Amino acid sequence: EVQLLESGGGLVQPGGSLRLSCAASGFTFDTYAVSWVRQAPGKGLEWVSTIRDNDETTYSGDSVKGRFTVSRDHSKNTLYLQMNSLRAEDTAVYYCARVGPNWYDSRAQITGGGYFDYWGQGTLVTVSS
Amino acid sequence: EIVLTQSPGTLSFSPGERATLSCRASQSVSSSFLAWYQQKPGQAPRLLIYGASSRATGIPDRFSGSGSGTDFTLTISRLEPEDFAVYYCEHYGRSLYTFGQGTKLEIK
Repeated sequence: EVQLLESGGGLVQPGGSLRLSCAASGFTFDTYAVSWVRQAPGKGLEWVSTIRDNDETTYSGDSVKGRFTVSRDHSKNTLYLQMNSLRAEDTAVYYCARVGPNWYDSRAQITGGGYFDYWGQGTLVTVSS
Repeated sequence: EIVLTQSPGTLSFSPGERATLSCRASQSVSSSFLAWYQQKPGQAPRLLIYGASSRATGIPDRFSGSGSGTDFTLTISRLEPEDFAVYYCEHYGRSLYTFGQGTKLEIK
């Protein structure tokens, strides 16, 4: 059974730092891209960052670029999100999500992907003085 | 940058009715990278549909997805009480993931 378990959330002052962790189990962690998606209180979903499986390329949304860093430890099957220079608008539940495998339709000769097939339960980050 | 618009923000139906939810992209997108999620209060989102029309594992066949170009639809053929939730569409392209703002399905 695929499981993703986030930890590390809490209350932090504006300008502070926090590191989130996501422990993965039930699948071969090395062979999937994984992501962070957040949700501010009462708001919708916002993609934060993704790290690929093969070359560990990372990419992030504009709102966190330069402040947040995603990384992974294959030996521990764990995903991380280092968050620096935190702002009030970063207050949200942070979800860890697995990027589902790409698929190929041989009849139509098309490739698809880019979806999140498993999610953790989330960890709350509150940025406030 | 792709913007996904889900309207209206709230839809009201009775159990047993058919519901159609809309997701419109600001420019033409590949349906191969369009997904739908369901989220209930206090829970993580759950994948329903990927590739615009393929149901995820364990999703009942009353859920179906369709569309191409800029217009995509999630249809729930006969609403069950557990289907009242918030639904999000999502698109991946050029290393960016974009979510719509969500449509809340409420009981009439």
